Amino acid sequence: DAGITQSPRHKVTETGTPVTLRCHQTENHRYMYWYRQDPGHGLRLIHYSYGVKDTDKGEVSDGYSVSRSKTEDFLLTLESATSSQTSVYFCATRGGNTEAFFGQGTRLTVV
Amino acid sequence: DAKTTQPPSMDCAEGRAANLPCNHSTISGNEYVYWYRQIHSQGPQYIIHGLKNNETNEMASLIITEDRKSSTLILPHATLRDTAVYYCIVNSGGSNYKLTFGKGTLLTVNP
Repeated sequence: DAGITQSPRHKVTETGTPVTLRCHQTENHRYMYWYRQDPGHGLRLIHYSYGVKDTDKGEVSDGYSVSRSKTEDFLLTLESATSSQTSVYFCATRGGNTEAFFGQGTRLTVV
Repeated sequence: DAKTTQPPSMDCAEGRAANLPCNHSTISGNEYVYWYRQIHSQGPQYIIHGLKNNETNEMASLIITEDRKSSTLILPHATLRDTAVYYCIVNSGGSNYKLTFGKGTLLTVNP
């Protein structure tokens, strides 16, 4: 399996607080992705990156921002967490025209 | 990316072949068909991909119709551990790095 580490794995936070999730990879993959998964919705793309400092929005990007200052790290930030952002978040990486590798997920609860 | 259509759920008896269909009638000539699966609460896992020819690996076989408008993922001898949501994705890779998932097919393997 590709070396993908998501941190934290679980987090409970209060409404209105900022939250940052980290995805770290050791594969030197160019492309990185953040997804959220909720019951009945499957995996929905939040943001993705196609290189250092190159990012773009996915289908559910409102309320989220990302940053990629190094190849190995892709950060997802909730500027002001809301209960609707309670979800399981998955990071993925991809080297090119190849398969994607996923992290184990971060379970975020906003109370 | 071309859209895909999959049945929401399927059942299969343990030890029998599981045949999961996917319709991708708007696929372009340079788009690959990828299959992933997600076992409950885990990150999705790559299974197989193909362009035009049928493909086989240690996990599964992928049959793509001649017109490339549909494909079938075959698990030759399904086990209880194959119970998962299976996603069919069409993507051209390379410069088209955006990776979106549908809702997939929940395959339940019954004893």
